[in-house]
Amino acid sequence: NAGVMQNPRHLVRRRGQEARLRCSPMKGHSHVYWYRQLPEEGLKFMVYLQKENIIDESGMPKERFSAEFPKEGPSILRIQQVVRGDSAAYFCASSPNRAAENTIYFGEGSWLTVV
Amino acid sequence: QQQVKQSPQSLIVQKGGISIINCAYENTAFDYFPWYQQFPGKGPALLIAIRPDVSEKKEGRFTISFNKSAKQFSLHIMDSQPGDSATYFCAASAPNTDKLIFGTGTRLQVFP
Repeated sequence: NAGVMQNPRHLVRRRGQEARLRCSPMKGHSHVYWYRQLPEEGLKFMVYLQKENIIDESGMPKERFSAEFPKEGPSILRIQQVVRGDSAAYFCASSPNRAAENTIYFGEGSWLTVV
Repeated sequence: QQQVKQSPQSLIVQKGGISIINCAYENTAFDYFPWYQQFPGKGPALLIAIRPDVSEKKEGRFTISFNKSAKQFSLHIMDSQPGDSATYFCAASAPNTDKLIFGTGTRLQVFP
């Protein structure tokens, strides 16, 4: 019974490149959440998705960031033209129903370093 | 109003002692207050959670105390062990929302 799977675990990108982070939710979970953790800070909500739908993207930066959760395959968090300030740990979480009704389970994170 | 303030930033406790971490919030609409434990290089894992209809919840060595009027809640770790050394985050969410608002974390070190 695999947990939330994220890859890559570590990613190094040069400024201006694109970063793609993938998240496979737990089996039976159709709700996915992305959070960002900056060094020495707590987690900040970015986006909540269900299959093929973005439900709440109130925490997403207006530019360069996008997320999707296609009918088939993992959820993808995409960061275009990365800058040093994007260096952070990005955590995906999933739940079987809405987070408001259920515990959400986090993956082990993807650590992005922008050089 | 969406913030959750957590203190202390770091905590050093001797083995067998009690670790106490505090959180305060402003949004009276919050109705779910979980605590997460995070080890280095790992994702946060739910430790224990409480809703405002009770003032205390205990699971093993971990207890949440909740003071609705003061808008504060705290995590108590009894008989702290070196294996409890981790970063602890409090969080809160409001009804019909799907996002957790996290505190800034407390790094706990338990020395033998």
